[in-house]
Amino acid sequence: GDQVEQSPSALSLHEGTDSALRCNFTTTMRSVQWFRQNSRGSLISLFYLASGTKENGRLKSAFDSKERRYSTLHIRDAQLEDSGTYFCAAESGGADRLTFGKGTQLIIQP
Amino acid sequence: GGIITQTPKFLIGQEGQKLTLKCQQNFNHDTMYWYRQDSGKGLRLIYYSITENDLQKGDLSEGYDASREKKSSFSLTVTSAQKNEMAVFLCASRSGTGGAETLYFGSGTRLTVL
Repeated sequence: GDQVEQSPSALSLHEGTDSALRCNFTTTMRSVQWFRQNSRGSLISLFYLASGTKENGRLKSAFDSKERRYSTLHIRDAQLEDSGTYFCAAESGGADRLTFGKGTQLIIQP
Repeated sequence: GGIITQTPKFLIGQEGQKLTLKCQQNFNHDTMYWYRQDSGKGLRLIYYSITENDLQKGDLSEGYDASREKKSSFSLTVTSAQKNEMAVFLCASRSGTGGAETLYFGSGTRLTVL
C-alpha cells in the first residue's frame, strides 16, 4: 500500500476560512516536505520539517515528533491565491528518496 | 538563488520512439531526481542520483534510462514511447545526502505520444 496518504483529496472553501490538510505515513518518517502546485504545474516548496512546527504567514505545518507518523498543514484566512494542489512528501531513514502523497486539490471561492 | 532548467518544455513523440529529456541545475546540488506526474495524480519517482555518475532506481524505472553526466545535469530517456501516453516529467534537486534539504523543482516537460 501507499506509504504516504493525504486527506482530503479535494477541498472547496470560501475566502477567509481556515483549513487543515493531513498526511499519514504507514511507517516512521525522518522528514516531511509540503509543496503547492499551481495551475501551470509549478511546484513550490512550502515547508521542510524534521520535527516540530514551522509557520510562514498564514501557513503553519507540524510534524508529529513522537511517532513521526503524520504531518499537518494549516491554512488560516484562506485567500484566492491559495488555490492549487498541495502535496506532502516524506522520507524514511537512510534514504535519499521522497515518497509523495496523491495531493489535496484546494479551491478557494470568493 | 538558482534555477532548474528542463528541456524541452513540450515533447511530442511517436509510438516506439526513443525520447530524451534534459535537466540542468545551477544550485551546485548533489542529488537530482526525475519524477513522473500523470494527470490529476501524485508524483512517482523514476530515477535519482546522489552524485555525478551515480544512478538509483525509483519505483517506476522500467522503460526508462537515466544518465548523470556531470553534477549539474541529469537526463532521462524514454526507451520506447507508449501510444497515447501523456504525462509531465519533473526534475528536482537538493543539496547533500541524508535528506536534510528542501527539494527544488523544474517547470516540467510535457510528453505526448501519438
